[in-house]
Amino acid sequence: EAGVAQSPRYKIIEKRQSVAFWCNPISGHATLYWYQQILGQGPKLLIQFQNNGVVDDSQLPKDRFSAERLKGVDSTLKIQPAKLEDSAVYLCASSFPQETQYFGPGTRLLVL
Amino acid sequence: GENVEQHPSTLSVQEGDSAVIKCTYSDSASNYFPWYKQELGKRPQLIIDIRSNVGEKKDQRIAVTLNKTAKHFSLHITETQPEDSAVYFCAASTTGGGADGLTFGKGTHLIIQP
Repeated sequence: EAGVAQSPRYKIIEKRQSVAFWCNPISGHATLYWYQQILGQGPKLLIQFQNNGVVDDSQLPKDRFSAERLKGVDSTLKIQPAKLEDSAVYLCASSFPQETQYFGPGTRLLVL
Repeated sequence: GENVEQHPSTLSVQEGDSAVIKCTYSDSASNYFPWYKQELGKRPQLIIDIRSNVGEKKDQRIAVTLNKTAKHFSLHITETQPEDSAVYFCAASTTGGGADGLTFGKGTHLIIQP
């Protein structure tokens, strides 16, 4: 079974630029999550989708972050404009509803 | 919201000894408690999980215990091996109501000394 796929794996941008990350979940997983992991910390939930609907985005900085999952499969997370403190690994995870979450390899973002 | 505290931040044990990592949570509604292992530069991988209707769960050298009254759960690794060296994260969530994103602890860097 293929795992969660993410791209790009690495991204370096300057502050105030925009960036987008892509996630393809495990086939059949209706639930998709985006987490932010700052160096030396545990992942922090940004947003949760159930199919193409948002279940929880309470910790998403909506003034600069946006996410969508238009067809209930792939998802994109966008940051515009980026700040220095956005430097982190952005992890996508997917699951069957209420079941184990499987993580992708992450996108490592460096904002200069 | 939920808050998960994890201790210690670093744990060094001799190969073959046991390691114990402890976590506490704040939200009494939390009912699912997974543990993830993360090697440097890699994705978090689930190693064991426990739900609130169970007090203990074991899988070979790994075990997890849960005390709902104290809002406390622990990871036990016996007969530690060099490949157990990694960062371990505990997490908590509430399942059954839709929003079940995980709240993670800050992690424990486990070092296995040869």
